[in-house]
Amino acid sequence: DAGVIQSPRHEVTEMGQEVTLRCKPISGHNSLFWYRQTMMRGLELLIYFNNNVPIDDSGMPEDRFSAKMPNASFSTLKIQPSEPRDSAVYFCASSLTGDNSPLHFGNGTRLTVT
Amino acid sequence: QQQVKQSPQSLIVQKGGISIINCAYENTAFDYFPWYQQFPGKGPALLIAIRPDVSEKKEGRFTISFNKSAKQFSLHIMDSQPGDSATYFCAARKTGANNLFFGTGTRLTVIP
Repeated sequence: DAGVIQSPRHEVTEMGQEVTLRCKPISGHNSLFWYRQTMMRGLELLIYFNNNVPIDDSGMPEDRFSAKMPNASFSTLKIQPSEPRDSAVYFCASSLTGDNSPLHFGNGTRLTVT
Repeated sequence: QQQVKQSPQSLIVQKGGISIINCAYENTAFDYFPWYQQFPGKGPALLIAIRPDVSEKKEGRFTISFNKSAKQFSLHIMDSQPGDSATYFCAARKTGANNLFFGTGTRLTVIP
């Protein structure tokens, strides 16, 4: 099992540019989560999907952020236009639905917006 | 608004000592309380979890203590080792939900 795969591992971009982060969940998992990690706020849930359908996007900070899950094996998080305050580590996680199912995290994408 | 409050922010412990990290919550709809461990450059990974119908759960050197009436839970790491140096997150999940609410994390350093 390859685990949750995120790409790229690092992204450096200039303010105003579009950024797309990618995630491949563990095969068979039907829930997918996008989290953002910063020193000040820790791990914040941005959005999560069940069976490819967005369930809760209340954590998406602004309309500049959007997420899609076109199929069970792929999701994207897009920021357009990016701003320096978006600099953080973005994690994707997947799980099975069910009370005792742990979240399996990818190794994250470190985004730096200059 | 932080749904799960975690302290301390950082912790330094001597090898062989006990590390204690505390968390508190307000929402009584939470019924699952996991702890995640994160090493630098990696994503968090599940360490141990507890449900509120028990007051303690132990797995090796790691123990969760749970106080339902006080709405608090803590992680105890016995005989702390340098390899335990990592960031630890407590979390909580509501009944019937999939998403976790995380604390802000505790950076643990175990000195040899």
